[in-house]
Amino acid sequence: KAGVTQTPRYLIKTRGQQVTLSCSPISGHRSVSWYQQTPGQGLQFLFEYFSETQRNKGNFPGRFSGRQFSNSRSEMNVSTLELGDSALYLCASSSGLTSGGSTDTQYFGPGTRLTVL
Amino acid sequence: SQQGEEDPQALSIQEGENATMNCSYKTSINNLQWYRQNSGRGLVHLILIRSNEREKHSGRLRVTLDTSKKSSSLLITASRAADTASYFCATSGWTQGGSEKLVFGKGMKLTVNP
Repeated sequence: KAGVTQTPRYLIKTRGQQVTLSCSPISGHRSVSWYQQTPGQGLQFLFEYFSETQRNKGNFPGRFSGRQFSNSRSEMNVSTLELGDSALYLCASSSGLTSGGSTDTQYFGPGTRLTVL
Repeated sequence: SQQGEEDPQALSIQEGENATMNCSYKTSINNLQWYRQNSGRGLVHLILIRSNEREKHSGRLRVTLDTSKKSSSLLITASRAADTASYFCATSGWTQGGSEKLVFGKGMKLTVNP
């Protein structure tokens, strides 16, 4: 099976702009989660989509949004970029068929490195 | 919070030695997972241990879980230079908000010197 793919791999934007990142999950996976990774804050959960619905959300401002399509591909959008949004954005897919509060194995993509100038 | 904390934050050893990393967390969990990340790349899942399990093995990896102490350890035996990476523990369980998700620790850096 092909792994999780993310596009683009690198992106440079300026403050105030917006950006859209894309993630294609492993075939058959219905859950896509997004994480932001920075040296200071580590890996922080942004949100999770399952069957086109946002199932979980982290503590990020409304400038961060996402969506999932019927083929499970997902996009995340960041509007009005700030310098602090510079980070590695990771997407992870899983079957999403959890039970009893147990999250199953996440399969990560290589990430998109976003630099905001 | 549910977030795990790895200890030590950095470890440097010689090839062939064993490496032990610890993870502590604060709330009840359903499972605990360990991931590896090579510099600036995506995370790779290593092993998952459920809350009703105490020990699990996978190749050169051995994970233990002590739910009474809210801690886990990852042992890598006979380390190799290729094991040089950052290692993260991640806990899965219900959050205060009533949802469930995977929460990652800040990670620890392992350097294996040839």
